Amino acid sequence: QSALTQPASVSGSPGQSITISCTGTSSDLGTYNYVSWYQQHPGKAPKLMIYDVSDRPSGVSNRFSGSKSGNTASLTISGLQAEDESDYYCSSYTDSNTLIFGGGTKLTVL
Amino acid sequence: QVQLQGSGPGLVEPSETLSLTCTVSGYSISSGYYWGWIRQPPGKGLEWIGSIFHSGSTYYNPSLKSRVTISIDTSKNQFSLKLSSVTAADTAVYYCARDGSATLNWFDPWGQGTLVTVSS
Repeated sequence: QSALTQPASVSGSPGQSITISCTGTSSDLGTYNYVSWYQQHPGKAPKLMIYDVSDRPSGVSNRFSGSKSGNTASLTISGLQAEDESDYYCSSYTDSNTLIFGGGTKLTVL
Repeated sequence: QVQLQGSGPGLVEPSETLSLTCTVSGYSISSGYYWGWIRQPPGKGLEWIGSIFHSGSTYYNPSLKSRVTISIDTSKNQFSLKLSSVTAADTAVYYCARDGSATLNWFDPWGQGTLVTVSS
């Protein structure tokens, strides 16, 4: 199974909004709404930010939102803050009854 | 709250079997959920290794399936990972995590991660 496709890096200035894309196929996120997003700071375990495409776990800022269109899911961070600088990974369920991750995106806050 | 703590050797010799255990506190794993292992080679992305349902059903990454065994010990509230015939490419931080949904889906919470180095 191939990894989901994410841009290697994105950047934005404080206060701006950025969007990270995650492209899959009809065998995974194009068919299933089991898409999740994780934030990972250096040396730390990943933290769940979005699940089931657009749901936010308790305690996650509402500046984080998720969506999906066709074979592409997106994570949008509004009102960018310095603490948002991190690596972000998407994940999806597949029709082979497995899970796959994206390659990860490094977000830089300028 | 639910907490996961991974443990096991930090150094494994090539061709040997990597063995890790995840101890769960704050929740009885026999009560439900999927429990998974994810790894991350140094400087690289996340890779799902496999998951086990509380009943014992297992699901593996096809690329690792021939070498992976995930098991569960409800009496100890633990689940374990065995990866055989390891090579340097298996050097990674290994995370254990709970799948918080009713299917293979999203992981929360995660353990702290265990760095395993494959080297002689």
